[in-house]
Amino acid sequence: QITLMESGPTLVKPTQTLTLTCTFSGFSLSTSGVGVGWIRQPPGKALEWLALIYWDDDKRYSPSLKSRLTITKDTSKNQVVLTMTNMDPVDTATYYCAHHKQLAFFDPWGQGTLVTVSS
Amino acid sequence: DIQMTQSPSSVSASVGDRVTITCRASQGISDWLAWYQQKPGKAPELLISSASSLQSGVPSRFSGRGSGTDFTLTISSLQPEDFATYFCQQGNSFPRTFGQGTKLEIK
Repeated sequence: QITLMESGPTLVKPTQTLTLTCTFSGFSLSTSGVGVGWIRQPPGKALEWLALIYWDDDKRYSPSLKSRLTITKDTSKNQVVLTMTNMDPVDTATYYCAHHKQLAFFDPWGQGTLVTVSS
Repeated sequence: DIQMTQSPSSVSASVGDRVTITCRASQGISDWLAWYQQKPGKAPELLISSASSLQSGVPSRFSGRGSGTDFTLTISSLQPEDFATYFCQQGNSFPRTFGQGTKLEIK
């Protein structure tokens, strides 16, 4: 059974850097074909894909946020870390990590973590 | 970027009704399309992948069709637990993109 869980701060100030950790079980990021992605959802709004990292350390980013995002993996700890710099109130959202299925879709998802950006 | 457009944005229906939600891609994506269900305060759950492949444990009243640019999600007989928001997502290319969502409400 695959499970994922996000952790990180619930409140960050504008201009600060957000660091979120996704801790997973039930699969290994050293196995060929495996990936983990990050997706966010502002309150009451649609889902927005942010970044993906694959077993071979290939990394993909949303073009609109690429300059602010970094995704890394720690295979030994079964963790994926997302950092987002220069946070703004518009970045207030629930941030999800998810297992990347069939190299195309997301399943399952973590429970999500709400991050509020406010001074 | 491939834009995903869902219609309608919201729909009211009754238990037992048949409902169809449409998702249109701005360019061809073959069958690289998924449907997710999201209930309030919960993470999305994958219902259908590759346009028509029902995930394990998903009731057979859910079905997906389509290829290229036009896709549908149909719920054949609505149950109370189906009232939720549904999103489509393309997995054909980067950046991965989602539709804006369709909220299915009780009439």
